[in-house]
Amino acid sequence: GQSLEQPSEVTAVEGAIVQINCTYQTSGFYGLSWYQQHDGGAPTFLSYNALDGLEETGRFSSFLSRSDSYGYLLLQELQMKDSASYFCAVPNRGGGFKTIFGAGTRLFVKA
Amino acid sequence: EAGVAQSPRYKIIEKRQSVAFWCNPISGHATLYWYQQILGQGPKLLIQFQNNGVVDDSQLPKDRFSAERLKGVDSTLKIQPAKLEDSAVYLCASSSRQETQYFGPGTRLLVL
Repeated sequence: GQSLEQPSEVTAVEGAIVQINCTYQTSGFYGLSWYQQHDGGAPTFLSYNALDGLEETGRFSSFLSRSDSYGYLLLQELQMKDSASYFCAVPNRGGGFKTIFGAGTRLFVKA
Repeated sequence: EAGVAQSPRYKIIEKRQSVAFWCNPISGHATLYWYQQILGQGPKLLIQFQNNGVVDDSQLPKDRFSAERLKGVDSTLKIQPAKLEDSAVYLCASSSRQETQYFGPGTRLLVL
């Protein structure tokens, strides 16, 4: 089967660094995407990793290790507005074209 | 650039009634997706269109859900008859690449 696992909740303080992990089990793996969703809002795209290594975009970075079927999203200099749910997602182009989303990690940023 | 538009934003119906949702994707995006998101869960793909053809509808409950994308642009998703468990947010997304999807604001459906 195909699945993604990520922690349900993470809490951190303003200004800190937090890492949200995602492990996956899929067929036809091509890469790992990350989305942010604020309460009542729509998911917004953050990053995509097709190759192993770290991709940096401002305060957010995303990492992929294909050999370990593992990735993470790193958020630096946390701000209150970063409180949201974060989803990892796998665009699956093998045997179908579904994008499979993880259940999401709810990040709480405290002052 | 205008984003993905959806309507209505909210809908309350009674079970066994029918409901329809509309989506207008970002101009030029060939791929359109309908997702169902239940509170506390990730989005679940219901149906994916490439232009006006269906690419994947394996998770669409076809006995009650239907969707179409006429002329490869706008799309409608219909539920008939609705069940209590259909209460969810229905998200439309579009993309030119599957790994980068742009979501609309969603329709919050409550079935009583």
